[in-house]
Amino acid sequence: QKEVEQDPGPLSVPEGAIVSLNCTYSNSAFQYFMWYRQYSRKGPELLMYTYSSGNKEDGRFTAQVDKSSKYISLFIRDSQPSDSATYLCAMLRGSARQLTFGSGTQLTVLP
Amino acid sequence: GAVVSQHPSWVICKSGTSVKIECRSLDFQATTMFWYRQFPKQSLMLMATSNEGSKATYEQGVEKDKFLINHASLTLSTLTVTSAHPEDSSFYICSAFPRPGEGEAFFGQGTRLTVV
Repeated sequence: QKEVEQDPGPLSVPEGAIVSLNCTYSNSAFQYFMWYRQYSRKGPELLMYTYSSGNKEDGRFTAQVDKSSKYISLFIRDSQPSDSATYLCAMLRGSARQLTFGSGTQLTVLP
Repeated sequence: GAVVSQHPSWVICKSGTSVKIECRSLDFQATTMFWYRQFPKQSLMLMATSNEGSKATYEQGVEKDKFLINHASLTLSTLTVTSAHPEDSSFYICSAFPRPGEGEAFFGQGTRLTVV
């Protein structure tokens, strides 16, 4: 079993829809949780970074972390065609500096 | 956010030659940088941890002699693919943590290597 599970999709939604992306994890030692957006042939871009359970909002993006359920989510409101990309969740243990990634979810927002 | 710059963004080389990829932290110092490899439609696979002033730490299955890493300064790490073969063709990405003790990691733009 992988430490981090993420539905690879692909996921297609119409423009303006609310998108929900999720990851589950098995290692309770993970303390830092991140969401990255990766466009084709580009490096991952950090979207959201959270340390504890709860919600964090930044513009159209909301990240949720539920440590008790070992479940994290990224919500995208009013999705735009420019949001079409692969979204990767990533996690980090305490002082360690090696990220553990989900497999990535490919999202297409149709105009 | 912090900036990690990678160069070149793409390179084509002949089999048997060597290729050097640079990773720079532009607005912070990085004692540690990380090199990843990514195949099409797959997630990132950690290759090695680059340590300033000391030897790199390689993940299991990664050939040290093929993927040479040099971290000679606090802002520059290089990955050299030696005696490249077509199977080394891939997307290589570096990352660094600008703030010690915090979990935010930033990535370079990536380098697409094609070996012909």
